[in-house]
Amino acid sequence: QSALTQPPSASGSPGQSVTISCTGTSSDVGGYNYVSWYQQHPGKAPKLMIYEVSKRPSGVPDRFSGSKSGNTASLIVSGLQAEDEADYYCSSYAGSNNVLFGGGTKLTVL
Amino acid sequence: EVQLMESGGGLVQPGGSLRLSCAASGFTFNSYAMSWVRLAPGKGLEWVSVISGIGDSTYYADSVRGRFTISRGNSKNTLYLRMNSLRAEDTAVYYCAKGSSRYWSDYHFDFWGQGTLVTVSS
Repeated sequence: QSALTQPPSASGSPGQSVTISCTGTSSDVGGYNYVSWYQQHPGKAPKLMIYEVSKRPSGVPDRFSGSKSGNTASLIVSGLQAEDEADYYCSSYAGSNNVLFGGGTKLTVL
Repeated sequence: EVQLMESGGGLVQPGGSLRLSCAASGFTFNSYAMSWVRLAPGKGLEWVSVISGIGDSTYYADSVRGRFTISRGNSKNTLYLRMNSLRAEDTAVYYCAKGSSRYWSDYHFDFWGQGTLVTVSS
């Protein structure tokens, strides 16, 4: 199974909104509501930002939201802040007790 | 506070073996499935393996099945990954990651460790 497809980079100015896409197939993203998003700052542990497509763990700002349409999931970051600059990874259940990740998107706050 | 601390990484020759450990604290260890996830240089994250809370079920990515073995010592609150027949493509930072249920049924990782680097090279 191939990794999920994310754009290598995304950017936005402070206060703006940015959307990061995550494209899979009907066997993973499109087939299950188990899409998650993780934020990773350089040298740090990944942090869960969104799970089950659109749920936010406690402590994650509501500026972060998730959605899904067909085989593509999206992470929306609104009101961009400097500390949002990081790598973002999507993941999806792919059946048969397997999880796939995306290649990662480097978000730059201009 | 949930804390996960990996150890055991290092430089190993192709074909060699290594055992990683992950010491956990701040939660009831045997109540949660635990996974290993790796990040290879220049690549994205890759899920490696998962074990249920009481260790009665394990699953592996195709890329490591038959070479890696996940286990846990619940009395020691520690997760392990035994890696045999290591290849250059196994070079990565290995993270342990906590699930949010006893059996891997929700497929996300709510806490991660800082990772340990494994380098496979001659």
